[in-house]
Amino acid sequence: AQSVTQLDSQVPVFEEAPVELRCNYSSSVSVYLFWYVQYPNQGLQLLLKYLSGSTLVKGINGFEAEFNKSQTSFHLRKPSVHISDTAEYFCAVSEVQAGTALIFGKGTTLSVSS
Amino acid sequence: DTGVSQDPRHKITKRGQNVTFRCDPISEHNRLYWYRQTLGQGPEFLTYFQNEAQLEKSRLLSDRFSAERPKGSFSTLEIQRTEQGDSAMYLCASSLAHGPQETQYFGPGTRLLVL
Repeated sequence: AQSVTQLDSQVPVFEEAPVELRCNYSSSVSVYLFWYVQYPNQGLQLLLKYLSGSTLVKGINGFEAEFNKSQTSFHLRKPSVHISDTAEYFCAVSEVQAGTALIFGKGTTLSVSS
Repeated sequence: DTGVSQDPRHKITKRGQNVTFRCDPISEHNRLYWYRQTLGQGPEFLTYFQNEAQLEKSRLLSDRFSAERPKGSFSTLEIQRTEQGDSAMYLCASSLAHGPQETQYFGPGTRLLVL
């Protein structure tokens, strides 16, 4: 079975500062990795995904993430955040073989202030 | 393509009542998923369909829960004899299954409050 740990429940940052949201996973099989964002009162929107190939993945809104197999991590980064990036961010995994249910972490609340 | 839609967006009910939620997936998507999200938690998988077949159910899906996708298009999730612990956001997602590129697209959710 897989599990996902998001190491920070809340991350407060100032506008234009860099940010890193940390995600570690545990699995006995190969996995696909995802980051979703949830704005207030909205559904989840895919930010980026890692399926295979280059370990650095670029997503929407200037976000990127790096897959590190040895550390079983998939941290999300943005070099300069905006007020509009304030949201809940979820890391998720799914088994490569099954490719069905997503297993989510508990989420990280990113709060960007001016 | 208008995305995944869910109806209703909010539902308040009294304990013991039955409720039904509807999900309309993206039109060409053949897979449909239901998740439950409680406050402060990430979404938890409940069940999924490929076309009209229900292929997997989580142990979270007690016998009070039933889901259908009768024609392989929209889906309904029914909760019978609701309990206060059923209060949560119910999320629907859909995808087009064609190998490892599958991405699940989520609807806005139905927020259920059981009094």
